[in-house]
Amino acid sequence: QQQVKQSPQSLIVQKGGISIINCAYENTAFDYFPWYQQFPGKGPALLIAIRPDVSEKKEGRFTISFNKSAKQFSLHIMDSQPGDSATYFCAASNPKSFQKLVFGTGTRLLVSP
Amino acid sequence: NAGVMQNPRHLVRRRGQEARLRCSPVKGHSHVYWYRQLPEEGLKFMVYLQKENIIDESGMPKERFSAEFPKEGPSILRIQQVVRGDSAAYFCASSPYLSQETGELFFGEGSRLTVL
Repeated sequence: QQQVKQSPQSLIVQKGGISIINCAYENTAFDYFPWYQQFPGKGPALLIAIRPDVSEKKEGRFTISFNKSAKQFSLHIMDSQPGDSATYFCAASNPKSFQKLVFGTGTRLLVSP
Repeated sequence: NAGVMQNPRHLVRRRGQEARLRCSPVKGHSHVYWYRQLPEEGLKFMVYLQKENIIDESGMPKERFSAEFPKEGPSILRIQQVVRGDSAAYFCASSPYLSQETGELFFGEGSRLTVL
């Protein structure tokens, strides 16, 4: 019940295309859903996050879509750029768990020039 | 504006030796988390500490692993008698938020442990 399932494992997108990464969860107590971006040899960095009271959040080219009833959320990267090539992790936490994030297994995105 | 500082960045140990990983949180942050990342996997929670207190160690193996966050100085993750399965990247994260609130975690660049 603590798992967050992420797909696909890897993704290749052409420059200018849309990258879509999906995550699903079981624990209905989760109330915070961040996406982290990680470049090789670096630590994860927060990209964008959403709470269940909204169905969509957009920051620049990055959008989170959230479906509470389906217990799914996704990251859309519009106009994907080679600089977006990285590993993306979805995560979730609940208010009783001290910000203990449960991470998905990651999606390795490659944006081809 | 220093972020989370971890050292060493790379550590090589032989089986049976001890590994000691250090983490200095963002200045002013009093909450520290340790995560472990195995190759091609996501990050797994190990332990959450506040100054001088272990709040949640549910993700940390009961044996050989210990963590502390003293009043002064960095947080330390200690692995005794390392085995090959301990080879991983260990990430420290810090947060300024109260423990009952959710918010951004600031991650360091990790310490990569290789056990020969």
